[in-house]
Amino acid sequence: SQTIHQWPATLVQPVGSPLSLECTVEGTSNPNLYWYRQAAGRGLQLLFYSVGIGQISSEVPQNLSASRPQDRQFILSSKKLLLSDSGFYLCAWSVLSAAPVQYFGPGTRLTVT
Amino acid sequence: GNSVTQMEGPVTLSEEAFLTINCTYTATGYPSLFWYVQYPGEGLQLLLKATKADDKGSNKGFEATYRKETTSFHLEKGSVQVSDSAVYFCALIRAGGTSYGKLTFGQGTILTVHP
Repeated sequence: SQTIHQWPATLVQPVGSPLSLECTVEGTSNPNLYWYRQAAGRGLQLLFYSVGIGQISSEVPQNLSASRPQDRQFILSSKKLLLSDSGFYLCAWSVLSAAPVQYFGPGTRLTVT
Repeated sequence: GNSVTQMEGPVTLSEEAFLTINCTYTATGYPSLFWYVQYPGEGLQLLLKATKADDKGSNKGFEATYRKETTSFHLEKGSVQVSDSAVYFCALIRAGGTSYGKLTFGQGTILTVHP
């Protein structure tokens, strides 16, 4: 069966520090991968998606970046965090089909202080 | 573009009450529709889905019917439990094209069920 992992589960970082969040998927090949951010009290905002290794599409201009160094690994990064980067970051995967279901990881709670 | 509108919450109910969370959408073509649920501190889980008009998705006592004529996908449950307390998200994927399966989410509805 397929599983998706995210780490760390929680993170507290000072403004201006770098960020690296990791997501890995097991039990499937060539998945589509997604990074979402959920700010407190708000819905989900799609940040990045990837349809293959090295292929990244950005949905929202910001100081975050994403990379996909391996088929089932998706990394969210920042060189210098802002207070507004605080939120709950969710990784998801799907396989392309007529009605693709996205499966979400447990999330990372990021607090920028 | 695509959009999803959910009823504003929070929704507060007593145990065994009837639940309706309204969801309407705007999309070209024939999208697939989903309800996701997020329990406190967790990621999202698929609750149910429907892929074409008049389809009814159901799971764990929840139901939603894809109504193309009213562009709606309202979530219902006949008797809620305290354990149903969560945030519920309506979402769609545009059919075909180059959407790469990108979900468009509603803003979420917080449900709290009291004993």
